[in-house]
Amino acid sequence: AQSVTQLGSHVSVSEGALVLLRCNYSSSVPPYLFWYVQYPNQGLQLLLKYTTGATLVKGINGFEAEFKKSETSFHLTKPSAHMSDAAEYFCAVSSNTGNQFYFGTGTSLTVIP
Amino acid sequence: KAGVTQTPRYLIKTRGQQVTLSCSPISGHRSVSWYQQTPGQGLQFLFEYFSETQRNKGNFPGRFSGRQFSNSRSEMNVSTLELGDSALYLCASSFLSNEQFFGPGTRLTVL
Repeated sequence: AQSVTQLGSHVSVSEGALVLLRCNYSSSVPPYLFWYVQYPNQGLQLLLKYTTGATLVKGINGFEAEFKKSETSFHLTKPSAHMSDAAEYFCAVSSNTGNQFYFGTGTSLTVIP
Repeated sequence: KAGVTQTPRYLIKTRGQQVTLSCSPISGHRSVSWYQQTPGQGLQFLFEYFSETQRNKGNFPGRFSGRQFSNSRSEMNVSTLELGDSALYLCASSFLSNEQFFGPGTRLTVL
């Protein structure tokens, strides 16, 4: 069985501060891991993904995430928050067959000017 | 390449009615998944179709059904609508099953 836990349904950071959104997963098979972003009244957009290889993954808009198997984590970070980063962020896991995705409950990021 | 399209974007129905939502995947994508998104429950998986066959199903009542056509377009149907069915319904398509591409969603309001 697979599942995703996102710690913190709401996170607030000041503009220019570090963004850290937490994601832990459980999976009985080697996972594929994803971070998606959702802006109001829009669908989800892929930020980055980990399938195999390098455990530090760089995505769009300056975001990156590190796959830590020992901690079953895939936390999302960005060194300096911008106002445009305010959105809902979802972590997701799928098996390496990729037939079904499991999403976390989301973290709403607020950026304070 | 055009993205995933969903129609209609907004829909208002009353309790007891039924509704059909449509999703056109990215050209070449054969897998289509549907999700229900609500503020309290987040994203919940409804079902996934691949080559006209339902391959996976989430934990929703039988009022929720779907199908996929030979051109990979998919529809989902909700019968006997309830107030709690008000949600954003998202469709996602994938090619090699290691990334899902989402449409903008259909916002369903049940009165």
